[in-house]
Amino acid sequence: SQQGEEDPQALSIQEGENATMNCSYKTSINNLQWYRQNSGRGLVHLILIRSNEREKHSGRLRVTLDTSKKSSSLLITASRAADTASYFCATATNFGNEKLTFGTGTRLTIIP
Amino acid sequence: NAGVMQNPRHLVRRRGQEARLRCSPMKGHSHVYWYRQLPEEGLKFMVYLQKENIIDESGMPKERFSAEFPKEGPSILRIQQVVRGDSAAYFCACLRSGTDTQYFGPGTRLTVL
Repeated sequence: SQQGEEDPQALSIQEGENATMNCSYKTSINNLQWYRQNSGRGLVHLILIRSNEREKHSGRLRVTLDTSKKSSSLLITASRAADTASYFCATATNFGNEKLTFGTGTRLTIIP
Repeated sequence: NAGVMQNPRHLVRRRGQEARLRCSPMKGHSHVYWYRQLPEEGLKFMVYLQKENIIDESGMPKERFSAEFPKEGPSILRIQQVVRGDSAAYFCACLRSGTDTQYFGPGTRLTVL
């Protein structure tokens, strides 16, 4: 079964608006990571948040983690056309083995 | 992809042939993970290797798939007697010992005719 489930599956917004994507997971985790994937390309690591952290920022990105609800959110502020991509959350659950369990992704489209 | 190399980028095979995918991690990154991505889906973990050792192969199909990471050279994911269902993008990721951020390669897109 999927450890991570992103919500929504697809999101279209106007350039300049903020985009929020959510991720839920099922088991205890060590960390949660967000990745971006442009169509037909590899994955780009965006941000990692550890289980003892609640919020993290990187540029226009803000990630929150609520371990009691087993959920995370990714906020992209002041969106740009170049942000159009699929976004995946991924969880790591074992110390010493960082294999990631990915969600199904959110396809974000920024309308110029 | 921070210097993680995969080749070939595209591979076409006929049913029954062998596919060999290579991953060269960044210097100093001795941990390699292989993932498979089917169209319109997220990535699924296949196998985790350190130099010369398979640490976790819980995501590998029981037959036809094998992986290695020799002391010298790239990590190899081998698929024998490919079938159409093997068509997917295969990604490797690496990390440095003691860290937890994985860096992904650009992937190999395998098409089985």
